[in-house]
Amino acid sequence: QKEVEQDPGPLSVPEGAIVSLNCTYSNSAFQYFMWYRQYSRKGPELLMYTYSSGNKEDGRFTAQVDKSSKYISLFIRDSQPSDSATYLCAMSAGLGGAQKLVFGQGTRLTINP
Amino acid sequence: GAVVSQHPSRVICKSGTSVKIECRSLDFQATTMFWYRQFPKKSLMLMATSNEGSKATYEQGVEKDKFLINHASLTLSTLTVTSAHPEDSSFYICSARVQVGVAFFGQGTRLTVV
Repeated sequence: QKEVEQDPGPLSVPEGAIVSLNCTYSNSAFQYFMWYRQYSRKGPELLMYTYSSGNKEDGRFTAQVDKSSKYISLFIRDSQPSDSATYLCAMSAGLGGAQKLVFGQGTRLTINP
Repeated sequence: GAVVSQHPSRVICKSGTSVKIECRSLDFQATTMFWYRQFPKKSLMLMATSNEGSKATYEQGVEKDKFLINHASLTLSTLTVTSAHPEDSSFYICSARVQVGVAFFGQGTRLTVV
């Protein structure tokens, strides 16, 4: 079993729809949870970062963490064609020194105009 | 967010030659830098972790003599692919973090070995 599981998609939705992206994990030591967006042939861009359980909102993006279920989500409201990208969840037990990020496989998302 | 600059963005080299990729943190001091490799439609595979002034720690299965990593300053790390072969063709990405904090990624380097 992989430490982090993420449905690779592809996921295709119409413009304006609410998008839900999810990851599950098995390591209860994970405390920090991140979502990165990666456009084709570019490096990942940090979208959201949360610590422990709870919700965090930033504009059209909301990140949720449920540590009891080992489940994290990213919601995108009013989705735009420019949101079309691969979304990677990542998590780690800490943020210090050489603490490694463990990535999900990434979900390819397409927003259709 | 913080800016990590990676160069070149694309390089084509002949088989048997060496290629150097630079990763710079532009507006912060990166005590730790990470180098990843990404295959098409796949997630990032960690190759090595480097701390400024010390030897890099390589992940299992990554040849340290082939992928030379130098982290000589708090703002610069380099990855040199030595004696490159076509199977080394890939997308290489660096990331950097401050002592305690989230990691920011460079733009990536697409290496093609012909």
